[in-house]
Amino acid sequence: AQSVAQPEDQVNVAEGNPLTVKCTYSVSGNPYLFWYVQYPNRGLQFLLKYITGDNLVKGSYGFEAEFNKSQTSFHLKKPSALVSDSALYFCAVRGTGGFKTIFGAGTRLFVKA
Amino acid sequence: DAGITQSPRYKITETGRQVTLMCHQTWSHSYMFWYRQDLGHGLRLIYYSAAADITDKGEVPDGYVVSRSKTENFPLTLESATRSQTSVYFCASSEPGGRVSYEQYFGPGTRLTVT
Repeated sequence: AQSVAQPEDQVNVAEGNPLTVKCTYSVSGNPYLFWYVQYPNRGLQFLLKYITGDNLVKGSYGFEAEFNKSQTSFHLKKPSALVSDSALYFCAVRGTGGFKTIFGAGTRLFVKA
Repeated sequence: DAGITQSPRYKITETGRQVTLMCHQTWSHSYMFWYRQDLGHGLRLIYYSAAADITDKGEVPDGYVVSRSKTENFPLTLESATRSQTSVYFCASSEPGGRVSYEQYFGPGTRLTVT
């Protein structure tokens, strides 16, 4: 069965500092991995994905994520956080055998000015 | 306008009533999904559909019914609403291949309260 874990309910970081939001997954076969962001009272927006190829993927708004197969992780990173990055972030995984996508519980990111 | 829309955006209903949440997308995406978002649970998949007239259960399908007679529409019906179905419901769509493959595009959500 597919599963996603986001071990931190909340991440606090100062503006200008690097940020990391953690995600680990479990899936049969090769994973398709995603990060989404949700701003207050809005639907989720796609940030980036890993399907195949380079383990470091770059996405919207300066975010990037690194796929680590041995650690089954897909952590979201940004070199320099902005206050406007404050939002709820979801990691998601889909197995290659189907199109059902499972989401993590979400991590709330607070960036302090 | 192109995109994915949901209606109503807010709904209050009473226990035992039937409620239908609407979802419409203009991209002709093959896949559509219904999720519910609750504190501490993230997004949980209720039902999904690979094409018109093809639907399947997700993680939490009990108490819900879906249909998909047209590619662009994917309504979700609560046959007899219960308080535990108070939640924010999101519809999403995606396409399996090509440059924008696999990621999902979400509607703005419907906040449902069952009293």
